[in-house]
Amino acid sequence: DAGITQSPRHKVTETGTPVTLRCHQTENHRYMYWYRQDPGHGLRLIHYSYGVKDTDKGEVSDGYSVSRSKTEDFLLTLESATSSQTSVYFCAITRDRGEAFFGQGTRLTVV
Amino acid sequence: EDQVTQSPEALRLQEGESSSLNCSYTVSGLRGLFWYRQDPGKGPEFLFTLYSAGEEKEKERLKATLTKKESFLHITAPKPEDSATYLCAAATLNAGNMLTFGGGTRLMVKP
Repeated sequence: DAGITQSPRHKVTETGTPVTLRCHQTENHRYMYWYRQDPGHGLRLIHYSYGVKDTDKGEVSDGYSVSRSKTEDFLLTLESATSSQTSVYFCAITRDRGEAFFGQGTRLTVV
Repeated sequence: EDQVTQSPEALRLQEGESSSLNCSYTVSGLRGLFWYRQDPGKGPEFLFTLYSAGEEKEKERLKATLTKKESFLHITAPKPEDSATYLCAAATLNAGNMLTFGGGTRLMVKP
């Protein structure tokens, strides 16, 4: 258990509405990540952070933004949700030797 | 471009029937190869890290091995509770702390 909490765990939202997912960690890790997981695509990196206010894009960043104002919190925002963003979202941290540890996931449905 | 491919996509075994899962990788400078287990509705759970060819790690009925081109997850005398999706991921010299994931192998063990 790497002390990662994601909220909410489930969310249904309408197309065009903004959505924010939260990831909270208790172990003070420098690196935090947001992934999405879809059938046939596996886990794909959306954005990551390497420190407070330091973020960068991943493989599938279009339509997403992130913020990290405190070490323990990493927020993922869908500015205007679309049906293609229906997915399961995972937050992760990495420890010193590079191994990633994941939260329990947020299942987002955009209708 | 870094690439990680897992095979087979799905594997059905009888309880006690040993087998192996494959993870082949084409990356620019491997820093580490990671194995995860994922149960339905949960986040990936870290199993092993392998850093160099010839390295082996064991945990209960699972043994992970690494060569210069691929990694194997050997499952000896599996039980129904070993049923899960197994993911491998590669960390590379060019990608910092980011991981490239394979598509996973869904393992089903029947009693």
